[in-house]
Amino acid sequence: GQQVMQIPQYQHVQEGEDFTTYCNSSTTLSNIQWYKQRPGGHPVFLIQLVKSGEVKKQKRLTFQFGEAKKNSSLHITATQTTDVGTYFCAGNSGYALNFGKGTSLLVTP
Amino acid sequence: NAGVTQTPKFQVLKTGQSMTLQCAQDMNHEYMSWYRQDPGMGLRLIHYSVGAGITDQGEVPNGYNVSRSTTEDFPLRLLSAAPSQTSVYFCASSRTSGEQFFGPGTRLTVL
Repeated sequence: GQQVMQIPQYQHVQEGEDFTTYCNSSTTLSNIQWYKQRPGGHPVFLIQLVKSGEVKKQKRLTFQFGEAKKNSSLHITATQTTDVGTYFCAGNSGYALNFGKGTSLLVTP
Repeated sequence: NAGVTQTPKFQVLKTGQSMTLQCAQDMNHEYMSWYRQDPGMGLRLIHYSVGAGITDQGEVPNGYNVSRSTTEDFPLRLLSAAPSQTSVYFCASSRTSGEQFFGPGTRLTVL
């Protein structure tokens, strides 16, 4: 079955540093979604990428979908303490959504 | 709109007990799913439904049953709880296979 791998598992940065998390799928995806979960909270949708090579930006966040539609990345420029949380990618190749294990981001002031 | 609601928020069970986790959404979404979240394991799909009367298994379905008699409700049943089912359970809904809206979760402990 489809597997979605995400690295790194943890990342600790100083406020102002950049952060990137990577997502790789064993199969071609119809789309990929990114979610953020704050400590003690529930996952919240950030964005969906559908097209091969697509790049989308949300303020300091940049999302990319690979040309082969098997990998994706989330890059945060100049992290802030409000960016703390776990970031999940989720691959969709049918009805079901398969989540990566997430990258937990800790930002030190 | 209340969005996706889950009850209870917390539950403690003894091994062998049964219970039902409730999930409801008021957004008229066709898709609904149940996930469990364990430390270091991310979100794992238990069961999902693409419409009333239609359910299918996800990655970790054993020990859980679901039914979807209405668009709004998607209860998750634990028939005989085991300590391995200690987890945080999230219900989610979506219009299609796009953006999923998650409920606040149920923290379940099985002793």
